Amino acid sequence: EAGVAQSPRYKIIEKRQSVAFWCNPISGHATLYWYQQILGQGPKLLIQFQNNGVVDDSQLPKDRFSAERLKGVDSTLKIQPAKLEDSAVYLCASRSLQGWGETQYFGPGTRLLVL
Amino acid sequence: GENVEQHPSTLSVQEGDSAVIKCTYSDSASNYFPWYKQELGKRPQLIIDIRSNVGEKKDQRIAVTLNKTAKHFSLHITETQPEDSAVYFCAASKREDGNKLVFGAGTILRVKS
Repeated sequence: EAGVAQSPRYKIIEKRQSVAFWCNPISGHATLYWYQQILGQGPKLLIQFQNNGVVDDSQLPKDRFSAERLKGVDSTLKIQPAKLEDSAVYLCASRSLQGWGETQYFGPGTRLLVL
Repeated sequence: GENVEQHPSTLSVQEGDSAVIKCTYSDSASNYFPWYKQELGKRPQLIIDIRSNVGEKKDQRIAVTLNKTAKHFSLHITETQPEDSAVYFCAASKREDGNKLVFGAGTILRVKS
């Protein structure tokens, strides 16, 4: 099966600019996650969707970050305006609800550098 | 909320030796514990996982043990090879939280040939 797809792979912007990332999960996976991975740290959850609804966005900095999954398939994550500390890899993961359903599969990530 | 601590932060072993990475978690309701391997610039890849109803799981050279009472779990890699060099992350999750993963800080494993 095809894996989780993300684009772009790399992005360099200046602070206060906006940026958007796209994720297409594994076909049929109802649950989608966005994680932020700062260099040298483990991934940290930003937001979780089930189908087109938000399950958990408690750790999403809502003053500058937004995310949507309008049709319950692909998703976009936006940062506006970006800050220097947003430099990180943004990972998308998806999970099936079938069976035990715990395993999350990660995309290749988008590496963001804010100058 | 859940907190996962991982040790050591770096680990160097000679090729052929064993490597052990340990994690502790705080939430006794967590019931799923995966281990991910992440090579430089690549995505995290699941290498093994364990559920709370099992104490040990093995897959070829890799094994994971879970002690629910002490709230810790460990990754064991035997007969290490240079291609095992990577960053390893442990994580914990529970169904009640939508299975969101809480990750440890990672362990850089270097296998010297």
